[in-house]
Amino acid sequence: DTGVSQNPRHKITKRGQNVTFRCDPISEHNRLYWYRQTLGQGPEFLTYFQNEAQLEKSRLLSDRFSAERPKGSFSTLEIQRTEQGDSAMYLCASSLSEAFFGQGTRLTVV
Amino acid sequence: SQQGEEDPQALSIQEGENATMNCSYKTSINNLQWYRQNSGRGLVHLILIRSNEREKHSGRLRVTLDTSKKSSSLLITASRAADTASYFCATFTGGGNKLTFGTGTQLKVEL
Repeated sequence: DTGVSQNPRHKITKRGQNVTFRCDPISEHNRLYWYRQTLGQGPEFLTYFQNEAQLEKSRLLSDRFSAERPKGSFSTLEIQRTEQGDSAMYLCASSLSEAFFGQGTRLTVV
Repeated sequence: SQQGEEDPQALSIQEGENATMNCSYKTSINNLQWYRQNSGRGLVHLILIRSNEREKHSGRLRVTLDTSKKSSSLLITASRAADTASYFCATFTGGGNKLTFGTGTQLKVEL
């Protein structure tokens, strides 16, 4: 498999619970991005890694959100104490020059 | 605010017609990328055009770039119902670290 893989594809959780998403990038790509997208909007940048270093983090990313990329390979995005406003599609991308996206994880907070 | 702004926001055409979408951006770029997104799915990379290129083709897609006007256009020729999707332009900003998207054009191709 040479594409970006995201798991799970769908997640339904109760408000206040913690959730964790995983992204496996294309193996030779050193850059990895997380985005959030709500209905009818373009993807909004959340955070960016170059190898294992988190180089930029959006102000959209509150302290309930944390992302890691140990060893510069896969990445995880954790949301603590989820709120209904966190319901969205969470997209991961990796790149050398062109950025390629995974299918996303759709989060529904009930 | 979005780096790119697509125009129009929505476009409805008949199968076989051509579809043109425009994108404007604000800062200097090294390249500009176009993506397609089917409803509820991930983004599919369509084409990348570099700042020193003025036009690029890929199958039924034709992309132009005018860096003096900070604008790009995506032309889909001989459209098909399967082309129905949202189309986004994206550029690297923030020193080249952050891929920033426009608001998208929703294209509907009717039979």
